[in-house]
This record gives sequence, C-alpha cells and structure tokens, in this order.
Amino acid sequence: ILNVEQSPQSLHVQEGDSTNFTCSFPSSNFYALHWYRWETAKSPEALFVMTLNGDEKKKGRISATLNTKEGYSYLYIKGSQPEDSATYLCALAASGGGATNKLIFGTGTLLAVQP
Amino acid sequence: DAGITQSPRHKVTETGTPVTLRCHQTENHRYMYWYRQDPGHGLRLIHYSYGVKDTDKGEVSDGYSVSRSKTEDFLLTLESATSSQTSVYFCAITGSSAFSGANVLTFGAGSRLTVL
Repeated sequence: ILNVEQSPQSLHVQEGDSTNFTCSFPSSNFYALHWYRWETAKSPEALFVMTLNGDEKKKGRISATLNTKEGYSYLYIKGSQPEDSATYLCALAASGGGATNKLIFGTGTLLAVQP
Repeated sequence: DAGITQSPRHKVTETGTPVTLRCHQTENHRYMYWYRQDPGHGLRLIHYSYGVKDTDKGEVSDGYSVSRSKTEDFLLTLESATSSQTSVYFCAITGSSAFSGANVLTFGAGSRLTVL
C-alpha cells in the first residue's frame, strides 16, 4: 500500500509570515502529484498538478516544487493572510493507474493564520 | 460545486439499516469516485466508476457497494450500516477547466452520515 505523508500536521503563523510544508511519497511508481486546498465547511479544490521532476508551479502567493527522485514536494505560501487558513492536501497518482486517477491522499497540513 | 450534487447532505441512521448516498453530475464526465474522510486518515477511496455499469474497488471498499446505471448518477450503498461507517462522504469527478489536460478531482459538497 502506497503511503503519502505530510508534515507538519498543523501550523499556526502570524499574518505576513511565509511558511512551507512537505509532502513525502514513494518515488517508485510516480505518475503525478496533486495539491488541494480545503477550507472548513467547503470541498477540497485543486491548486496544482505536477508531473515532472523539478516542476515548479505558482498561483499568486502560493507555489509548489516537486522532486520525484527523492519523493517529496514542498508547498510555499509567501506573506500568509487569514484567508489562507485551510487544510492543504497532497495526493499521489501512481503509475499504472492511467486515466482512472485513483489518488492516494496524505492526511493534510492544517494552516491557521492569525491576523 | 461545479455541477456535482450529493444527497442527502446529512443523515442519521441506526446500525443495521441500509443507506444510499447519491452523487449527481451535470458535467458528463466518465470517471466518478466516492471517498470517505475521517480524522487522522485524510480522504480514502471507497469505490470508483469508469463508465456506466463499470465500477471497481478502492482501498476501503468493505461494507460498501456502488452502482452507475447512468453517466450522471453514482450511488453508494451501505447494505447494513455500522458505527464505523460514520463519516463524511465525498463524491468526485475527474476534470477541471482550470487544469486543461490534467485529471484533477472536483469534489461535491459532502454527505455527513452518522450511524448510531
């Protein structure tokens, strides 16, 4: 069974702080790595999909990097704002899954940004 | 939520009763999924469908069955609900206009099930 781990479990920062968290996954059988943002009382929403080693994606103040050889991805938030408070999930799509997109999710990092 | 509707949104039932959750999509997507979300476990795949009458098991399929008689509807059934099936259930489809070419999941609003 493939295991996707995220750290830290939770993070409390002050408004304006920059922060980052980690997603670790088995480097064998890699197909794609997804990041989702999940606000309380809402549904998870996709942030990034990365497939190539060395990929970097950016969306506003949020960016992500991917290292498929060592099996990790970092998510960075620059100048955190209270509206960034959410759980950030990463999910692995393993090779062989093809178009079925059976994702294996980590347990998430809960970010709380204090004004 | 991007053309995905789950019903019911909340349900309380008793152990041993059957329960069916419905996921309806208006996006005409081929792939549909049922996940459950529990503290400490994140989202875990129960079953998925890759077309009408084509379904397969996920990582936590025991105690659940699914059916897909039409493209737009994917039903999750608990034949005899147990307390361990108390959870929030999310339906998802593959596809998002913001990620052209990538198979991201778009989720429904979730169905909270409590089994007493």
